[in-house]
Parts: sequence; C-alpha cells; structure tokens
Amino acid sequence: DAGVTQSPTHLIKTRGQQVTLRCSPKSGHDTVSWYQQALGQGPQFIFQYYEEEERQRGNFPDRFSGHQFPNYSSELNVNALLLGDSALYLCASSLSGEQYFGPGTRLTVT
Amino acid sequence: GENVEQHPSTLSVQEGDSAVIKCTYSDSASNYFPWYKQELGKRPQLIIDIRSNVGEKKDQRIAVTLNKTAKHFSLHITETQPEDSAVYFCAAKKGDTGRRALTFGSGTRLQVQP
Repeated sequence: DAGVTQSPTHLIKTRGQQVTLRCSPKSGHDTVSWYQQALGQGPQFIFQYYEEEERQRGNFPDRFSGHQFPNYSSELNVNALLLGDSALYLCASSLSGEQYFGPGTRLTVT
Repeated sequence: GENVEQHPSTLSVQEGDSAVIKCTYSDSASNYFPWYKQELGKRPQLIIDIRSNVGEKKDQRIAVTLNKTAKHFSLHITETQPEDSAVYFCAAKKGDTGRRALTFGSGTRLQVQP
C-alpha cells in the first residue's frame, strides 16, 4: 500500500514563472490538504480539497490555486512566482482525523 | 483563527534523560492535537495524537498530556535516544474528521547528546 506521493521532488523556477505540483493520496483517503513549509518554520495551511472542490483556504493569495481529480489526486498551481514562494510544499491526505504527509516538493525560486 | 505557540524552540538533553515540549492553543473549539516528528529533509511523521475527551495518552516512551481548561498540551519523551533527535511540531484542529486544517506550532529542535 503506497503512502502519499508527490512529484517532482525538487524544482527550480524563475520569478514570474508558473509551477504545478502533484500529489497522490494514500490509498482509501479522499481528502487532500496542501501546506507550505518555509525553512525553519512549521507547515502553513494553503487549502484543502475533497469531492473535487476547495473546501477550506488559509491565508494565501489567489496566485495559489488547486484542483482535485476524480481519483482523489491533486495539483497545486502557483502563478507569478515570487522569491518568497521558495519553500517545501507538503501534501497531506486523510480520511478520519489523522493527516499523513507526503515527502514534499522543494521549490526554489531564483 | 487558531494560534498555536510551542516552546522551547531548541532543546538539548543527554541520552537517557527525559524531554518535554509544550504547546498552547487559542481556540477552545479545537479538539484534536497531533504531534509530528520531522527529520532533516524528510516528511513530518505522526508520532502520537490526542483528542479532547482524553487527558493523557501513552505509546511506549512517548506520552502526550492535554489540559483543556488551560488550553495547553505537552509531549513527553522518556529515556531519550540519539535517534529521537529531530524537529517536533505540535498542531491543533477542530472536528473529528480529516476535513479540517491543521494549525502547527513553530517547532522544537530536539538534540539528544550520546
């Protein structure tokens, strides 16, 4: 049984570009949450998807958007990248109370 | 919204000693409190959690206590080992399902000296 998977592992982008990150939830999980973890800080909630709709959103600008597919996998899109978007982006899947994290995508914006 | 504060930010102990990490939360409606361990370059891993209808929970060398009145909860690690060295995050959430956001503390870097 595969756990939560994310792709790509690492990504380097230039300011102003757009990026798409992908997440496949743990088998049987239908809810996907995205978090941004800056260096030396705790994860910050971006948004959550279930039933293919955004259900909750944290304090992030509209440049951050997402999608959930019928197979429960999810994408995080970030437009007009800023240097401050450099971080580890974590996806977490859940069904009951526990959230299980993927390995993350390390995004570097230069 | 919810705010979670975590102390200390760094903690150094000798192997075999105990370690205690404390968190406070602001939203009295929060009822689920997980703890995650994150090793360098790896994903946060759930190590123990507690729900608000329980005051204490143990799993081998790890225990979590919850004081709902004071709105604080703590992680206790006994007989620490070098492999316990990592960053530990507390978090809080409302609701009993996975369909709620976790609010994390800022993390505690635990170093266990052999």
